[in-house]
Amino acid sequence: EPEVTQTPSHQVTQMGQEVILRCVPISNHLYFYWYRQILGQKVEFLVSFYNNEISEKSEIFDDQFSVERPDGSNFTLKIRSTKLEDSAMYFCASSKGIEAFFGQGTRLTVV
Amino acid sequence: QKEVEQNSGPLSVPEGAIASLNCTYSDRVSQSFFWYRQYSGKSPELIMSIYSNGDKEDGRFTAQLNKASQYVSLLIRDSQPSDSATYLCAVGGATNKLIFGTGTLLAVQP
Repeated sequence: EPEVTQTPSHQVTQMGQEVILRCVPISNHLYFYWYRQILGQKVEFLVSFYNNEISEKSEIFDDQFSVERPDGSNFTLKIRSTKLEDSAMYFCASSKGIEAFFGQGTRLTVV
Repeated sequence: QKEVEQNSGPLSVPEGAIASLNCTYSDRVSQSFFWYRQYSGKSPELIMSIYSNGDKEDGRFTAQLNKASQYVSLLIRDSQPSDSATYLCAVGGATNKLIFGTGTLLAVQP
């Protein structure tokens, strides 16, 4: 069964460093998303991406965040200068239409 | 601010019983509704979607939607210990983004 894959599964970084989280969406999906979940809190929408551009972003997705689809298969989330409060699980998701399927997540720890 | 509300639980049911999970949402124009299951430390897994008023059944799961009351529910029949997880209610937005509730922790007691 096709699935969304994310790498790495766990990333530890120092505050102020840049991180890139990678995702390979399901191959025939057209919509791509990033969500995050701070430990013990709800899953929060960050950004949606369609037709090679951002279709919507939340207020969390400020100038420190960017997304890119560098080739036909990868979808990346970059955090330019990480802060302690960026520590969370980051989930990539993709959909053909409405129903979104999630990757296994990247646990980002900022120290 | 669009909100999705769920009772955080835990909801404890004995094995074999029906578990009933509830969710309300604030945006009256919402059209798509989803239930995800999330095991501890894992990612959300889509288990049901519903778009029209009424019931939708899939195996042991039944989703119920009442748009007039802005209410979505999930029934799990013949609950099993493996159903123990957090159940996330999510409402679809205009660009297919999902707005999640905080989730209800379900504990099925053997």
